[in-house]
Amino acid sequence: QVQVVQSGAEVKKPGASVKLSCKASADTFTNAYIHWVRQAPGQWLEWVGLISPGGDITYYAQKFQGRLTVTRDTSTTTVYMELRSLTSEDTAVYYCAREYSGSFQFDLWGQGTLVIVSS
Amino acid sequence: QSPLTQPASVSGSPGQSITISCTGTGSDVGAYSYVSWYQQHPNKVPKLMIYGVNNRPSGVSNRFSGSKSGNTASLSISGLQAEDEADYYCCSHTNSHTYVFGTGTKVTVL
Repeated sequence: QVQVVQSGAEVKKPGASVKLSCKASADTFTNAYIHWVRQAPGQWLEWVGLISPGGDITYYAQKFQGRLTVTRDTSTTTVYMELRSLTSEDTAVYYCAREYSGSFQFDLWGQGTLVIVSS
Repeated sequence: QSPLTQPASVSGSPGQSITISCTGTGSDVGAYSYVSWYQQHPNKVPKLMIYGVNNRPSGVSNRFSGSKSGNTASLSISGLQAEDEADYYCCSHTNSHTYVFGTGTKVTVL
């Protein structure tokens, strides 16, 4: 069964950083762009950023430039998302999602990780 | 990047057809045929329903269809069923190599 497994919930204070992980089997992530999408409580989906299959290319939404880093460890088929300088507006469920081989669609999603930013 | 514009809610009776619009700009929806649609039930993970404007993944009912004209894409659901009650989001690739989602539409089956 194809599965994408994300790390557990996090509670952070304003100004802190959080690093989330997203792991799947090798064949699930081979040739796949991995995206991060977040959803604040009661809000719509928001695209955050992506990393290429080789991990050498990243693109981020403008609003996260400078405080977001997405990395990839191909040896462990794990993708990471680090968001710094957290504020309460970063409280959301963060999903990783697969885009297989430049298909421009997100066909497989992780279960989501809740991040709560609160003092 | 502003989100794509969708109606907040659409409703219909069982068996009826509904259409959800998704309006963007010439930098996203109007620029590419890379519009996808996602269904999300409460507290669930989004599910891909349409990709490439009008293609259905394997396993998605043929009651779901997509189209695009200019800067506006649309998702249609025919033969509305109770299980279709959910939130629906459009998504488009942009000319900045990024993606943008719509504001979401709540579909209610009366």
